[in-house]
Amino acid sequence: GQQLNQSPQSMFIQEGEDVSMNCTSSSIFNTWLWYKQDPGEGPVLLIALYKAGELTSNGRLTAQFGITRKDSFLNISASIPSDVGIYFCAGQLNAGNNRKLIWGLGTSLAVNP
Amino acid sequence: NAGVMQNPRHLVRRRGQEARLRCSPMKGHSHVYWYRQLPEEGLKFMVYLQKENIIDESGMPKERFSAEFPKEGPSILRIQQVVRGDSAAYFCASSPPGTVGRSYEQYFGPGTRLTVT
Repeated sequence: GQQLNQSPQSMFIQEGEDVSMNCTSSSIFNTWLWYKQDPGEGPVLLIALYKAGELTSNGRLTAQFGITRKDSFLNISASIPSDVGIYFCAGQLNAGNNRKLIWGLGTSLAVNP
Repeated sequence: NAGVMQNPRHLVRRRGQEARLRCSPMKGHSHVYWYRQLPEEGLKFMVYLQKENIIDESGMPKERFSAEFPKEGPSILRIQQVVRGDSAAYFCASSPPGTVGRSYEQYFGPGTRLTVT
């Protein structure tokens, strides 16, 4: 099935560093969503983006909907140990009744205290 | 304001048995989605449903797997005659009604870990 290209696949950083990850697609998306999954838990929605160019923050997290509508990035500033986890991007491809999301394969983040 | 509920959290079945996984969506949500996740891998879409209707089952295996979302009660993912390869985490998500914006936001439950022995 269709997937988003999410990069990097994994990151290992020092506490306090900033982090950036992104997702790209050859298709145009109407919605971009960013999730975080902790071990043994379900993904938790972090940020939702609905318009091209939109920049949205949630605490130390900032995400943007690319102006071409084919990409999105997520930044985490001043990382802390609890940022450890897997971050997934997801996009909604078609307007209207098709609610199926296309998913990236995830970015695994490790933070060294 | 309960979130998405899934039960059981852990399920052990012997090969050949049936597994039933339950999902209660968030209050007011109209759509339910089922995903499968293997260790160290991403989420694999299986099916999404509205009350009494399967909308998209393009990710469901053709045999042994079925899903329903009845008018009353939780959504059920049913796996018949389980095999070892069915061992995985199964996640349910739900989303609110509508056709724009927040209606595409999916909220996940804690998952059911299925182990087939």
